[in-house]
Amino acid sequence: AQSVTQLGSHVSVSEGALVLLRCNYSSSVPPYLFWYVQYPNQGLQLLLKYTTGATLVKGINGFEAEFKKSETSFHLTKPSAHMSDAAEYFCAVSLQTGANNLFFGTGTRLTVIP
Amino acid sequence: DAMVIQNPRYQVTQFGKPVTLSCSQTLNHNVMYWYQQKSSQAPKLLFHYYDKDFNNEADTPDNFQSRRPNTSFCFLDIRSPGLGDAAMYLCATSTAGQIAKNIQYFGAGTRLSVL
Repeated sequence: AQSVTQLGSHVSVSEGALVLLRCNYSSSVPPYLFWYVQYPNQGLQLLLKYTTGATLVKGINGFEAEFKKSETSFHLTKPSAHMSDAAEYFCAVSLQTGANNLFFGTGTRLTVIP
Repeated sequence: DAMVIQNPRYQVTQFGKPVTLSCSQTLNHNVMYWYQQKSSQAPKLLFHYYDKDFNNEADTPDNFQSRRPNTSFCFLDIRSPGLGDAAMYLCATSTAGQIAKNIQYFGAGTRLSVL
């Protein structure tokens, strides 16, 4: 079975500070990993994904994430927070084979303080 | 631009009154998904269509049904909405070429209120 744990339902950072949103997953087979962002009253937008290859993946808006198999983690980072980064962030996992379902974490709400 | 469109963005219905939410896509994707997202929770998959094949999640209530008359459109029908069905409903699509990588494209959602 697959599951995703996002540590910290709320994270606050100052504008210009490092953003670190944590995601740990559980999967019996090699997973695909995703980060989605959701702005208020909007749908989900794909930030970045890991499927195969390089474990450090870069996404939109300056975000990146690193797949660490030994730690079963896929933490999301951004060197310098911008006010426009304030949103809900969801980590998700799916299997590389078989069912095509996405399993989402419960989300982390990022607040950026001016 | 090609996209996933959900109508309406906001829907208000009465307790027990059937309601239909709509999703259309111009991506020509063969897979369409419906998710329910309650306040401060993760999106939860209700069901999906792979072409015309309907795949229901085991814990999706019978109150929720779906129709896909063609590739472009998919509907979510709630036969007798209860107060607990108030949520954001998200539609997403995926294509067979990307399905193994499960890249899904989401609409903006329909927020359903039940009075």
